This record gives sequence, C-alpha cells and structure tokens, in this order.
Amino acid sequence: GPKVLQIPSHQIIDMGQMVTLNCDPVSNHLYFYWYKQILGQQMEFLVNFYNGKVMEKSKLFKDQFSVERPDGSYFTLKIQPTALEDSAVYFCASSFRTGGNQDTQYFGPGTRLLVL
Amino acid sequence: AQKVTQTQTSISVMEKTTVTMDCVYETQDSSYFLFWYKQTASGEIVFLIRQDSYKKENATVGHYSLNFQKPKSSIGLIITATQIEDSAVYFCAMREAFRSSNTDKVVFGTGTRLQVSP
Repeated sequence: GPKVLQIPSHQIIDMGQMVTLNCDPVSNHLYFYWYKQILGQQMEFLVNFYNGKVMEKSKLFKDQFSVERPDGSYFTLKIQPTALEDSAVYFCASSFRTGGNQDTQYFGPGTRLLVL
Repeated sequence: AQKVTQTQTSISVMEKTTVTMDCVYETQDSSYFLFWYKQTASGEIVFLIRQDSYKKENATVGHYSLNFQKPKSSIGLIITATQIEDSAVYFCAMREAFRSSNTDKVVFGTGTRLQVSP
C-alpha cells in the first residue's frame, strides 16, 4: 500500500533541547497528521494540517509543538523545548482527502523519541 | 464524543484457524468510518480494512472481513486461515464524517494482541 516515511527512526535528546521529526507523506496526499503513542497504549491524535494550515489540534498539542511543511518538503513536527513527558513514539499519517473512499489515513513507521 | 473500545487485550490461536476480534464504538454522528489497523512487532502500522457506516455489506479484503452490526455499534474483525505472520496488535479505529463533526481525526481503541502459534 501507500508508504509514509519518517526520519529519524529513533531520537534521544536532553530535556529542554529542540527536536524536529520529519515525515515524507504519500506523494499525492494533501492532508497530514501527527499522532502520539506512549508505550503500550493506543495512538492519540495530535494535529492535522492542510494547505499550509493547522486545521485541528488536540489538547496534547502543547504550545511547545509546531508543525509545518515548507514548499512541499517534509511535513515536520517540532518540539521546543522538550519535556520528559514528550517521550513517546510519534506517528505521521497522510490521506488524499477527508471524505469518501480516498480518506484512509496511512501511517509511517514512527519516530521513537526519548527525552532524558 | 467519539470512543472506541476493545475489551480483548490478547488472543492466542493456532495457525490456519479463524479468529474474531471485537470492537464497539460510540458516536453521535449518523455518518462515520471504521478502520482496522495492525501494528507489527517492529512498530509499523498497517491499514487492513475499512467499513463506511452507510454501507450495509460487510467489507472483505483478502483473509480479513468485518462483522458490522450497526444497531449494536459493533465492528468485529475476522481473520480466516490465520498465519504466523498475522501475530501483531490489532487496533480498531473510527473517524466521523467531517462535514458534520468538523473533525477528521481518527480515534483508536486500545488494541488486541494476537498470537498465532504453529
């Protein structure tokens, strides 16, 4: 099926540092998402992004979080500064549209973030 | 508010048998979409199958099929002729229709771990 790529696969950083997680969505997809999964739990929605704008964000999307996709390059999630509770696996997803049979969200392999 | 519940935390079966995983959901929306994903041991999340609420026929893809019981808000996943490589965590998920709920976030259940043994 469609492939979403994420770079890096793992990241270890010190608390207070900045981190940028990169996502390469499916090439013709227009809607992009970030989800957070704490070890052993289900994925939870963070944010979605369309046409250069945040469309919706959850309460997990703290002020320290930001997303962008400059000039059609990677869709990024930036955390600045990081906190211990940000340690989790972050999954990027993308979909072609939000309605009908082309709105299935496809997920990347995740970035495992460990904040020390 | 949307909610997805998977009560089975883990299931063990012998290969080549049929397994059913349960999922119930809550929504105020009359139009919604239901999905099953699996998460492999490496952490990869793979889309398996979906059911649109307005479709009466149960979806089928390969050896995956769904048991959609709308009055019970239930969407069970059936895997026939299970294989060792089907061992994974299976997540049920739901998304409401954007035009009515103004959200396209996917809400996930807590997952069911399937272990298929030879």
